[in-house]
Amino acid sequence: GESVGLHLPTLSVQEGDNSIINCAYSNSASDYFIWYKQESGKGPQFIIDIRSNMDKRQGQRVTVLLNKTVKHLSLQIAATQPGDSAVYFCAVNAGNNRKLIWGLGTSLAVNP
Amino acid sequence: EAQVTQNPRYLITVTGKKLTVTCSQNMNHEYMSWYRQDPGLGLRQIYYSMNVEVTDKGDVPEGYKVSRKEKRNFPLILESPSPNQTSLYFCATSGAANEKLFFGSGTQLSVL
Repeated sequence: GESVGLHLPTLSVQEGDNSIINCAYSNSASDYFIWYKQESGKGPQFIIDIRSNMDKRQGQRVTVLLNKTVKHLSLQIAATQPGDSAVYFCAVNAGNNRKLIWGLGTSLAVNP
Repeated sequence: EAQVTQNPRYLITVTGKKLTVTCSQNMNHEYMSWYRQDPGLGLRQIYYSMNVEVTDKGDVPEGYKVSRKEKRNFPLILESPSPNQTSLYFCATSGAANEKLFFGSGTQLSVL
């Protein structure tokens, strides 16, 4: 079946460093990709999205990179701050009904 | 302010006692959805609704019911809760199916 996977369930970085969170997907027909941030005790919060007609999209301190050839998606966070500590999820649309398939999440810990 | 409001935030109940978790959105969105989140399993879709009076099963619909009588409300009903329905539940909404979702703050349900 279709799947969305992450390479690392946990990631620990030093404050001020850049963070890279990865996601792999299986369906080459997927054309919409989203990253969410979930802080403890809260619902997932939209960070950034990208469509398959783009390779890169930038937001405030975040960049999403899409490599359709290898079906890989990454989220880069510049100058990581303690407030960035959270679980990050990627979601990918797939299948005939274009439903969102969710990854299991990467827990990012920012060390002061 | 755009909001997705779930109630209650926390609920402890006993096996077999019917309960309803309410969800309301003020964004005039057509698409609404319920997810449950369990450790190691990520976000799994329970039911979704494309519009008023239109509901469909997600990946894990067993033991749940929903209704969509009005655009803004999408309650989740557990007719006879069981301990395996102990979970963190999220309501979500979007302007179009399977695009950027806005999540509520979650309902932590414990069934004893």
